[in-house]
Amino acid sequence: EAGVAQSPRYKIIEKRQSVAFWCNPISGHATLYWYQQILGQGPKLLIQFQNNGVVDDSQLPKDRFSAERLKGVDSTLKIQPAKLEDSAVYLCASSSLARDRGNTGELFFGEGSRLTVL
Amino acid sequence: GENVEQHPSTLSVQEGDSAVIKCTYSDSASNYFPWYKQELGKGPQLIIDIRSNVGEKKDQRIAVTLNKTAKHFSLHITETQPEDSAVYFCAARFAGNKLTFGGGTRVLVKP
Repeated sequence: EAGVAQSPRYKIIEKRQSVAFWCNPISGHATLYWYQQILGQGPKLLIQFQNNGVVDDSQLPKDRFSAERLKGVDSTLKIQPAKLEDSAVYLCASSSLARDRGNTGELFFGEGSRLTVL
Repeated sequence: GENVEQHPSTLSVQEGDSAVIKCTYSDSASNYFPWYKQELGKGPQLIIDIRSNVGEKKDQRIAVTLNKTAKHFSLHITETQPEDSAVYFCAARFAGNKLTFGGGTRVLVKP
């Protein structure tokens, strides 16, 4: 089974520029998450989708961050304009809604997209 | 609010010794507590989890204990090996299936 795919793996931009990250979740997973992981910290949830609807975006800085999941499959996260404090790894994760056979809704993470803002 | 505290932030152990990481959570309604391991340059990967209806779960060299009254849970790694060196995160699931992570523990196993 293919895992969560993310691209690009690395991106360096100057402040005030824009950047976009892409995520393709595991096939059949209805729930998709974007987390921000600043160096030395735990992942912080930015936005959670169920199919193509937003479940939680309470910690998404909406003045500069946006995310979409138009067809309920892959997703993009955009930052415009970027600030120095946006330097972080952006992790995408997906999970299945199914609760059969003891499934607890485990999150499967991609390898992340590392953003450096200069 | 939804908060998970994790201690210690770094842990150095001798190969073969045990390692213990502790976490506390804020919402008594939380019912699911996973532990993730993150290796350098990789995304976090689930290593063990526990639901609120059990107090302990074991999988080979790793075990997790949960004290719902005190709202804390712990990860225990026995007979540590160099490949256990990584960053470990605890997490708790809050309302709306939202998973909140602790700050992480960097574990170094010295040969």
